[in-house]
Amino acid sequence: NAGVTQTPKFRILKIGQSMTLQCTQDMNHNYMYWYRQDPGMGLKLIYYSVGAGITDKGEVPNGYNVSRSTTEDFPLRLELAAPSQTSVYFCASSPQVNTEAFFGQGTRLTVV
Amino acid sequence: GQQVMQIPQYQHVQEGEDFTTYCNSSTTLSNIQWYKQRPGGHPVFLIQLVKSGEVKKQKRLTFQFGEAKKNSSLHITATQTTDVGTYFCAYGTSNDYKLSFGAGTTVTVRA
Repeated sequence: NAGVTQTPKFRILKIGQSMTLQCTQDMNHNYMYWYRQDPGMGLKLIYYSVGAGITDKGEVPNGYNVSRSTTEDFPLRLELAAPSQTSVYFCASSPQVNTEAFFGQGTRLTVV
Repeated sequence: GQQVMQIPQYQHVQEGEDFTTYCNSSTTLSNIQWYKQRPGGHPVFLIQLVKSGEVKKQKRLTFQFGEAKKNSSLHITATQTTDVGTYFCAYGTSNDYKLSFGAGTTVTVRA
């Protein structure tokens, strides 16, 4: 059982470039989340989704976009990357609201 | 808006000692969860508390949810080197579907 899979694990971007962080889960979970974690800091919610076709903003959505065309996939898009987006990005899923969240291994992104 | 403070930010513990980390909210929480993140790893779920005054134990870990459902604590007894990491509380509210996290308590252990 793969759980939550994130790709890539590491990426270096130049300022102004764009990229998509992939997240897929095989547990048929409705709820999915994207977080960023800056060094020594907590997890900040970027976007979340309560099901296919439904997404909503979290605490820090500026500079990011998401889509949820299927239950399994919840990609995070960065347009015009900035150094402030250097962070570790975690995707998570849960079967219902307010239940255990399962995390992917994370994507370490550096913008230079 | 929702404000949850987690204290302390850092905890340096002698092996064998006990420690406690706290999460305090300005508003009532529908539930609280606790996660552990090992250095370089991803958060892993430990437990969820839902009821007012609830207490749950996992071996050396004791979790409490306050009577007013505004605060929670994690108490670890006889700390071991395997307890190293960052402990986060996470919470939802009754009026949205977000899962938000406290700032975390990073624990280091002196052998």
